[in-house]
Amino acid sequence: QVHLVQSGAEVKKPGASVQVSCKASGYTFTDYYIHWVRQAPGQGLEWMGWINPNSGGTRDAQKVQGRVTMTRDTSITTAYLELTRLESDDTAVYYCARSGTAGTHFDYWGQGTLVTVSS
Amino acid sequence: SYDLTQPPSVSVSPGQTARITCSGLKLESNLGYKFPSWYQQKPGQSPVVVIYEETKRPSGIPERFSGSKSGNTATLTISGTQAMDEADYYCQAWDGGTVVFGGGTKLIVL
Repeated sequence: QVHLVQSGAEVKKPGASVQVSCKASGYTFTDYYIHWVRQAPGQGLEWMGWINPNSGGTRDAQKVQGRVTMTRDTSITTAYLELTRLESDDTAVYYCARSGTAGTHFDYWGQGTLVTVSS
Repeated sequence: SYDLTQPPSVSVSPGQTARITCSGLKLESNLGYKFPSWYQQKPGQSPVVVIYEETKRPSGIPERFSGSKSGNTATLTISGTQAMDEADYYCQAWDGGTVVFGGGTKLIVL
């Protein structure tokens, strides 16, 4: 069955960078997009971007443009999110999620990774 | 990008019908994909899709969950609401190559 397993919680200082990983299994990694969605404490879902694991192409949300990098390693079926110049507002649970081609829904989600930004 | 608007909360009695709206959907998309999806999220858990492509229900989702759309507003309907349905619900759609979520609705089962 499909699984998306994310890396563990992180605590970072303002201005630092963080990388979150998402290990996919149970399906052909290159056949589905991987999205990154975050949720600040007590807040709603915020889409951050997607990566096409087949081509490596990405698209990110305007709000995080310039600070986010999404990559993948097809040999280990893992996607990565790197967020730089962290601010306290970046404190959130970060989820990876799978979708088919653009326009389709998110059918599987990772368990979430808590990133805390604090001095 | 654009905004999807949901009511912050909806209250319903057990056994009654709950309706959660999502307004602001674009009627046209340059990708041709404008069908909203709905996600249920319970405290401390990852979201789960309950409706996709506006009206389709994934396997394992109870039949009491249904979706519809009229104009630029989508509606998630939960018939015969149960206590276990108390959760946050989010609508989601694509806008060109990007994704947008509604602000979320807390369903309260009184």
